[in-house]
Amino acid sequence: AQTVTQSQPEMSVQEAETVTLSCTYDTSESDYYLFWYKQPPSRQMILVIRQEAYKQQNATENRFSVNFQKAAKSFSLKISDSQLGDAAMYFCAYRSGRMNRDDKIIFGKGTRLHILP
Amino acid sequence: DSGVTQTPKHLITATGQRVTLRCSPRSGDLSVYWYQQSLDQGLQFLIQYYNGEERAKGNILERFSAQQFPDLHSELNLSSLELGDSALYFCASSHGTSVQETQYFGPGTRLLVL
Repeated sequence: AQTVTQSQPEMSVQEAETVTLSCTYDTSESDYYLFWYKQPPSRQMILVIRQEAYKQQNATENRFSVNFQKAAKSFSLKISDSQLGDAAMYFCAYRSGRMNRDDKIIFGKGTRLHILP
Repeated sequence: DSGVTQTPKHLITATGQRVTLRCSPRSGDLSVYWYQQSLDQGLQFLIQYYNGEERAKGNILERFSAQQFPDLHSELNLSSLELGDSALYFCASSHGTSVQETQYFGPGTRLLVL
């Protein structure tokens, strides 16, 4: 079974600085998708960024980028120029790329990010 | 705003009771997924429906059931509620079942069982 591990329950970063959130996963599959979701105090789950395992190029979305290391099964999220609105719980997530009957997303336990003014 | 709506936002009930949570997917989306977020278990997949039919089951208790209606909205029924069922229940939707598709989450329903 696939697992997703986020080893940092909480992190803090100064506003305007850069922070990296760690995520590792375990899978025997070669085709899969990885995601970072953000959950602000409103509890809404917001997709931040997505990475296809078959793509070597790291995904980027404005101030958010990932460092995808397939061999190491590592998928970290870098937030540049941190803003107060980035304060949230961040979840790393995995989804199989196999065309089977199971489309579920497997989530890590989350990392709570605090932004210090 | 993801386009996925969930009602009610909050629900307080007593042990042993039954509740129904409702989800309307984004316009055009055929797949609906239900997730439970609790303090001890984190975010867990419960069940998926596609175009009215059950497609996949996760860690869903037998006391829980779901269905998707012809207009594609979905309901999650929780019965014989226990204290441990207190959680945030999310609905997500995607257009189809392609693994390339992103799931968009609703705002969630917070259930408190007293």
